[in-house]
Amino acid sequence: AQTVTQSQPEMSVQEAETVTLSCTYDTSENNYYLFWYKQPPSRQMILVIRQEAYKQQNATENRFSVNFQKAAKSFSLKISDSQLGDTAMYFCAFIKYNFNKFYFGSGTKLNVKP
Amino acid sequence: DGGITQSPKYLFRKEGQNVTLSCEQNLNHDAMYWYRQDPGQGLRLIYYSQIVNDFQKGDIAEGYSVSREKKESFPLTVTSAQKNPTAFYLCASSTPGQGNQETQYFGPGTRLLVL
Repeated sequence: AQTVTQSQPEMSVQEAETVTLSCTYDTSENNYYLFWYKQPPSRQMILVIRQEAYKQQNATENRFSVNFQKAAKSFSLKISDSQLGDTAMYFCAFIKYNFNKFYFGSGTKLNVKP
Repeated sequence: DGGITQSPKYLFRKEGQNVTLSCEQNLNHDAMYWYRQDPGQGLRLIYYSQIVNDFQKGDIAEGYSVSREKKESFPLTVTSAQKNPTAFYLCASSTPGQGNQETQYFGPGTRLLVL
């Protein structure tokens, strides 16, 4: 069975600073995808960034980047130049290649302080 | 615009009553999903459907039922057998096995409350 672990229930960061959210996962699969989703107070789930396991290069989307360590089964999210609008719950998710079921972590609540 | 719609935004259920949550997508996605989210917690899979007229139980299917008569629609019924239905319900869709379509896209959610 696949599991996704987010060990930081809550984090805080000052506006304009950088913060890193941790995620580890457990799988015996070699081909899979990893995601970070953001859930702001509106509760809409928004895709932040996506990583294919076969790609060694870390994905980047503007201020968001990941540190993907396949051997260590680690997938952390770095948010640079944090903004007040980044305040949200962040969920790490895993899906096997050519499969339907997502596995979500329990989430990290990020508070960006002015 | 393409997307996923859920209705209603808020739903109130009386004891012993069945209620149905609507989920519609115009993304031409094959697969659709229902998740439950309790306060401060992650998402738990209730049911999912890969194609029309087919669906599978997720991790917490007891007390829920679904149908998939059309590709665009995947309604969820919360039955009276679900003893603790108060939660936030999210619908999602994707097209698995097609490169970047592995991504699940979510609707805005329905908040269900028991009177």
